[in-house]
Amino acid sequence: DAGVIQSPRHEVTEMGQEVTLRCKPISGHDYLFWYRQTMMRGLELLIYFNNNVPIDDSGMPEDRFSAKMPNASFSTLKIQPSEPRDSAVYFCASSLVVAGANVLTFGAGSRLTVL
Amino acid sequence: GESVGLHLPTLSVQEGDNSIINCAYSNSASDYFIWYKQESGKGPQFIIDIRSNMDKRQGQRVTVLLNKTVKHLSLQIAATQPGDSAVYFCAENIESGGSYIPTFGRGTSLIVHP
Repeated sequence: DAGVIQSPRHEVTEMGQEVTLRCKPISGHDYLFWYRQTMMRGLELLIYFNNNVPIDDSGMPEDRFSAKMPNASFSTLKIQPSEPRDSAVYFCASSLVVAGANVLTFGAGSRLTVL
Repeated sequence: GESVGLHLPTLSVQEGDNSIINCAYSNSASDYFIWYKQESGKGPQFIIDIRSNMDKRQGQRVTVLLNKTVKHLSLQIAATQPGDSAVYFCAENIESGGSYIPTFGRGTSLIVHP
């Protein structure tokens, strides 16, 4: 398996534009997580899915952020409209829980810069 | 004005020394713990895990110690190498509605000097 695949790796956009980040989890994994990493806040959990269903989105900063998982092999995180404070590295991770052990495999991340 | 960044704890060691990275966790009900390593420009990667019914677990050059009494984890790296330079995160699995969701610590930056 090629691991968790994220795209784009880098995105630079202007304030107000829509941003869509994409993630392909590892086949067979039933959990998918979206994290945001910044120097200010460290690694923050935004939302996670179990079997394609959003379970907890309490970490999503505000209504400008939305995430979908239309099928087991694809998820998107959308920011509309984007703001400079959204600049961060966004990570997608997937996992298969076995006996209460949830080991995440992370993608390489999408570095977002909003000007 | 200038924003204040998250100042990660930093451990600087010489190549060949042993390193010990510490982590305090929050939930006494957590029963599974993981250490992740994040190299520059990459996502965190699994290093080693430990269940709460154990005090110690060893891997290749790494050892994790768990002290449930004081809710403390440590990661020991033997004969540290420049390739070990990274940010290290501990994560505790917290049960939430039947799911076991990892909660990450702030991280510690390890710098290995050749």
